[in-house]
Order: sequence, then C-alpha cells, then structure tokens
Amino acid sequence: GAVVSQHPSWVICKSGTSVKIECRSLDFQATTMFWYRQFPKQSLMLMATSNEGSKATYEQGVEKDKFLINHASLTLSTLTVTSAHPEDSSFYICSASPKTSRGYNEQFFGPGTRLTVL
Amino acid sequence: AQRVTQPEKLLSVFKGAPVELKCNYSYSGSPELFWYVQYSRQRLQLLLRHISRESIKGFTADLNKGETSFHLKKPFAQEEDSAMYYCALSPGGGADGLTFGKGTHLIIQP
Repeated sequence: GAVVSQHPSWVICKSGTSVKIECRSLDFQATTMFWYRQFPKQSLMLMATSNEGSKATYEQGVEKDKFLINHASLTLSTLTVTSAHPEDSSFYICSASPKTSRGYNEQFFGPGTRLTVL
Repeated sequence: AQRVTQPEKLLSVFKGAPVELKCNYSYSGSPELFWYVQYSRQRLQLLLRHISRESIKGFTADLNKGETSFHLKKPFAQEEDSAMYYCALSPGGGADGLTFGKGTHLIIQP
C-alpha cells in the first residue's frame, strides 16, 4: 500500500512552453502533497506544500507564478512549470501524506519526473 | 531556518564491518528527524524516524539533542545496504515538508 505515482516519468520540452506534471496517491487519500526538486548530485529541496482545496504554500525563493500547483482532489496534485527555461531542467519529485488520526504523518514519495528544457 | 548536514558524500566499508552515517542538524525548536534510503533505480523510502525508536533492517539512529545529531548505525554491514541515504528534518512531525541533507552514498564492498 501507500503508492504514489508521477506522470510523466520524463519530459523534454522547448523553451517557453509549459509542462504539467501529475502526482497521484493510488491507494490512499492524501491530505497534503509536497513538491521537491533535485538538481544533479544535489539534495531534494522543498518547493511547495499543497493541501487539498486550498492554495499551495511556496518556499522562499520559489516563484508561485512560474510553478503552478493545483491540488484538486485528495488523490491528485499537479505541478505546471510555466514558460519553462533551460534552468528549470531538473528532477521533480512529489510526496503524499495520508489522512491519519496518528500524531504524525509519513510521506510517501513518487518516482520523480525528469524535465529537460531545450 | 533549519539545516541538515551530512558530512560524507561517499562512505565505503567492507561487508560485515560496522557502519555509521553522520547527520547533524540545526533547528531552534524540537524537530522530528528521519532517515530515508534510495536504492539504485528506486524511489526514496522511509528507513526510520526518531520517534519510533525502532530498528529497521538492522539500522538504528538515536537523536542526541545536545550534539544535534542523528547518526545512522548498523553493526554489521550487508551488501544489500549499498544505497543513497538521506537524513531529513521536519519541524512539524511530518506534517510539514522535509529539509534534506545532501545524502551519503554508502557502498558495501564484498
């Protein structure tokens, strides 16, 4: 159980275009989903926190108008990279945290999406 | 702002030898600490969290608030332990996003 999928697994796009990445929790409802990015040989950096039905909370330095996040349901969050540029090329990883009555919430990670902007 | 430091990019030990992956953190409050593991070509998965105080796959980690450390240890390394290990911190018990260290690539030599 607790599987998170991402689609697509990799995408190549031209500079100036927009790309949408989907994150789905397959067998649980996710109260919260998180988006991270990982540059080559570097660690994961939190971009934003997304709660179902409300606006995402972005980390300092992350442009909310460039990285649009929509959490339309308890099983789906999308990240849209608008007007992509080569410096946006990265590995984007989502995680989902299930609804639970426990005092803590585990995050389950997706496999990641490799974005290459030409 | 919180920070997680993993001083070793790469750690190579022989099978059967003890392993210790270091992790230090800085945070003004009482964070929750985690170790995540990523095996080759697989996604990130939780190895253990400090509040659980459990041993997973022979690994343990003790939170030392005085030294602000959360080192990961295993007494006898196995080849299948070879992977990338990330130490992570959450200010809010997992309900918040995680701050990751840069990771340590552990290689277990036969």
